[in-house]
Amino acid sequence: GAGVSQSPSNKVTEKGKDVELRCDPISGHTALYWYRQSLGQGLEFLIYFQGNSAPDKSGLPSDRFSAERTGGSVSTLTIQRTQQEDSAVYLCASETRWGNTEAFFGQGTRLTVV
Amino acid sequence: SQKIEQNSEALNIQEGKTATLTCNYTNYSPAYLQWYRQDPGRGPVFLLLIRENEKEKRKERLKVTFDTTLKQSLFHITASQPADSATYLCALYSSASKIIFGSGTRLSIRP
Repeated sequence: GAGVSQSPSNKVTEKGKDVELRCDPISGHTALYWYRQSLGQGLEFLIYFQGNSAPDKSGLPSDRFSAERTGGSVSTLTIQRTQQEDSAVYLCASETRWGNTEAFFGQGTRLTVV
Repeated sequence: SQKIEQNSEALNIQEGKTATLTCNYTNYSPAYLQWYRQDPGRGPVFLLLIRENEKEKRKERLKVTFDTTLKQSLFHITASQPADSATYLCALYSSASKIIFGSGTRLSIRP
């Protein structure tokens, strides 16, 4: 596709359920980021993948959060045992190479935990 | 750890005036700094990148400055228009080479 694609665009889930959020980056982009944005707030860094290097997971808020990137392309962010405070927009971004280019963002997944 | 701060949560100005947004950072000297625009319900969109050896960068009505001594970047929109109303985010590459963002400034241009 032409841009970063995220699915679903909206997700409502019950507290305690697991959810998976998907990100399809731009083809050929080696770096992939996940961010979380609560209403009216800035972007909170979650995790960063760069090529075949070990991911930087330093932003994951708890061990209920995990992410993987298969084949250097598609990424899945998994939240286990969701809590109401997990409600936010989850944004994925990709960029072409190490460190000095623009990041392209998807439209985000709006997660609501009820 | 690196911190990036945008001092104004919101800025309201009259159409036609110049909007100036401020971004400060601490505990790091980034080689690059970026500015993004975010409209409601959408992901951020890249506007400009400025390198540490560049004092100023321009793109149409946008101008960005980068003062590595003050650890500050200023983002200017000249001849502002209501269509410029959005949230503007600054971002830098941390020492771990990941992009971290400021909290953003919500700019409103009134006709």
